[in-house]
Amino acid sequence: ETGVTQTPRHLVMGMTNKKSLKCEQHLGHNAMYWYKQSAKKPLELMFVYSLEERVENNSVPSRFSPECPNSSHLFLHLHTLQPEDSALYLCASSQDLVSPLHFGNGTRLTVT
Amino acid sequence: DAKTTQPTSMDCAEGRAANLPCNHSTISGNEYVYWYRQIHSQGPQYIIHGLKNNETNEMASLIITEDRKSSTLILPHATLRDTAVYYCIVRVRGNTGKLIFGQGTTLQVKP
Repeated sequence: ETGVTQTPRHLVMGMTNKKSLKCEQHLGHNAMYWYKQSAKKPLELMFVYSLEERVENNSVPSRFSPECPNSSHLFLHLHTLQPEDSALYLCASSQDLVSPLHFGNGTRLTVT
Repeated sequence: DAKTTQPTSMDCAEGRAANLPCNHSTISGNEYVYWYRQIHSQGPQYIIHGLKNNETNEMASLIITEDRKSSTLILPHATLRDTAVYYCIVRVRGNTGKLIFGQGTTLQVKP
């Protein structure tokens, strides 16, 4: 148990669907992150939130929309995705922007 | 951020020490060396980090050369559960928390 819980673990969606990924951390951390891990590629940083404010948006297409309603929860809203968006989406949290990150086990997304 | 270079893969016998090297020849004075690992079907797990002194915790030891251009992660007694991809990352302190992953080293611990 890492203290960072992601749901669902697996998600299959069509290109016209709208879905959301959820991340919850029980560590009292103030920063949260979304990473994308595609097959055979390194993890890619997508978004960084600190104290519920977005501090990093790493040139991510607008079909991915993050939301951080409080310091314990992070969402990634998905709409009109492409098959190449199929990947493992990982959430992480840290005490602040200089502390080590704690990762969840990810949501495996398949876009058909 | 400075880049790192790691071997693609390594093998280690169970019970022996696993020594994973990393080159970061362009590292700056305010950049830390971090190590994470990712076991299959799980998220990355933090192992250890350091600036210039050697570090040790319950998981591993980190040896950083005096010129800081390379480092070695040591797992003193590797077990089968240590089989994973190990990432060496150079991270600027305070740089919006960016942690940029490379391809890492796939460590296979064999019985």
